[in-house]
Amino acid sequence: DTAVSQTPKYLVTQMGNDKSIKCEQNLGHDTMYWYKQDSKKFLKIMFSYNNKELIINETVPNRFSPKSPDKAHLNLHINSLELGDSAVYFCASSRPGRRSTEAFFGQGTRLTVV
Amino acid sequence: QQQVKQSPQSLIVQKGGISIINCAYENTAFDYFPWYQQFPGKGPALLIAIRPDVSEKKEGRFTISFNKSAKQFSLHIMDSQPGDSATYFCAASDLGGGADGLTFGKGTHLIIQP
Repeated sequence: DTAVSQTPKYLVTQMGNDKSIKCEQNLGHDTMYWYKQDSKKFLKIMFSYNNKELIINETVPNRFSPKSPDKAHLNLHINSLELGDSAVYFCASSRPGRRSTEAFFGQGTRLTVV
Repeated sequence: QQQVKQSPQSLIVQKGGISIINCAYENTAFDYFPWYQQFPGKGPALLIAIRPDVSEKKEGRFTISFNKSAKQFSLHIMDSQPGDSATYFCAASDLGGGADGLTFGKGTHLIIQP
C-alpha cells in the first residue's frame, strides 16, 4: 500500500486555468504538508495542516489554497495558473511535534503551465 | 535568507570511493538534522538523522558527522555504489525536533561512476 499518494502524477495546463492536486495518506498522521520543488531541485514548504487547521502558511500567492476534507486528505487548489507555477509539487505527512522524526513524501506531481 | 547551506551542488565519485556532502546552519535553535535521499521521479525519503547531543551517527555505509560549535554537519557515504546516485538534501528543524518546520538545503546531485 502506498503511504502518501498524489494524483495526478503529471499535469499540463494552460495559463489562466484553475487546477487541483489531490493527496491522501494512510499512515494515520495528524500533519500534512505541501512542498514545491523548482527546476533547481530546491524544496520549499508551502503549507502544513494539523487536525484540519492551517499551522504554517508560507508567503505563497493566495492563488494557492489547501483544502483538507478530513485528516487523511490535503488537496491543493491553484487558481489562475501562471508560467512560474511550473514545478514539482510534493505532498507529505508526519506525526506532529516531538513524536515525529520523519516526513513521508508522495511521489510528486509535475505541473507544467504552457 | 537561506538558513541551511549545502555544498557541493553536484558531486561525482568513483565506485568504492567516499562521498562527502556538507551543510552549515545559522539558527542555533535547530535541534534535529535529517538527511533525505531523492531518486529521479520519486519523493524525498529519510535516510538518516541526528540530534545535537551526539557528534556522529552511523547506519551501514552512511554516517552523519555533527559539529555543534561550528554549526556544521556532513554526510559521508562509504564504499559508494552506483545505486547511491541520487539527490541528497540536508535539513534542520527547530520545532521540538520533529518533521514540522523542516528547512531544507538546496540539494546535492550525486553521481557514482561504475
